[in-house]
Amino acid sequence: AQSVTQPDIHITVSEGASLELRCNYSYGATPYLFWYVQSPGQGLQLLLKYFSGDTLVQGIKGFEAEFKRSQSSFNLRKPSVHWSDAAEYFCAVGDENAGNNRKLIWGLGTSLAVNP
Amino acid sequence: GAVVSQHPSWVICKSGTSVKIECRSLDFQATTMFWYRQFPKQSLMLMATSNEGSKATYEQGVEKDKFLINHASLTLSTLTVTSAHPEDSSFYICSARPVAAYLGQYFGPGTRLTVT
Repeated sequence: AQSVTQPDIHITVSEGASLELRCNYSYGATPYLFWYVQSPGQGLQLLLKYFSGDTLVQGIKGFEAEFKRSQSSFNLRKPSVHWSDAAEYFCAVGDENAGNNRKLIWGLGTSLAVNP
Repeated sequence: GAVVSQHPSWVICKSGTSVKIECRSLDFQATTMFWYRQFPKQSLMLMATSNEGSKATYEQGVEKDKFLINHASLTLSTLTVTSAHPEDSSFYICSARPVAAYLGQYFGPGTRLTVT
């Protein structure tokens, strides 16, 4: 069965430092991969997605993610974190068995705290 | 673009009563809408998938008679929590997939339900 693992439950970084959030997936075919961010009191916002093509994907808010098939990973990166990036980050993969419903399978999330 | 609204944003109800939550896609048509439940500090749990004009598909373990879903139009889906109990207290989030999208979902801001 498909699954998504976010190994880090909680990460704390200093403002201005670089960030990498890990995401590993288990999937039989070419995956459709997503990163979402959930800020306190706000809805989930799509940061970026990978369907095909260039394995380095650029997203909003200065985020990028790299799809590495050999490692079954889709890690999210940002070169310099801002205090406003403190939020919950979710990785998700498209469910190949969902048929027309095409559900997403979600990781458990990584909570990011940013120190001033 | 791609805005999804939910109403109400929060609601408090007494045990035994029913509560209806609306999910609207404001600037696009959505053939598929998803309803999630999120517990504090946890990931999203997909409850059901609704396709416009047809019955919702519920995930295993979700009581379809308790969580009634109606998707009567391409821009509106409703979730009714019937005979609510305190254990139904949670954060309910809907998402909508545009007609032309393969897997992308746009999320509403969520509804906080508290059952007393």
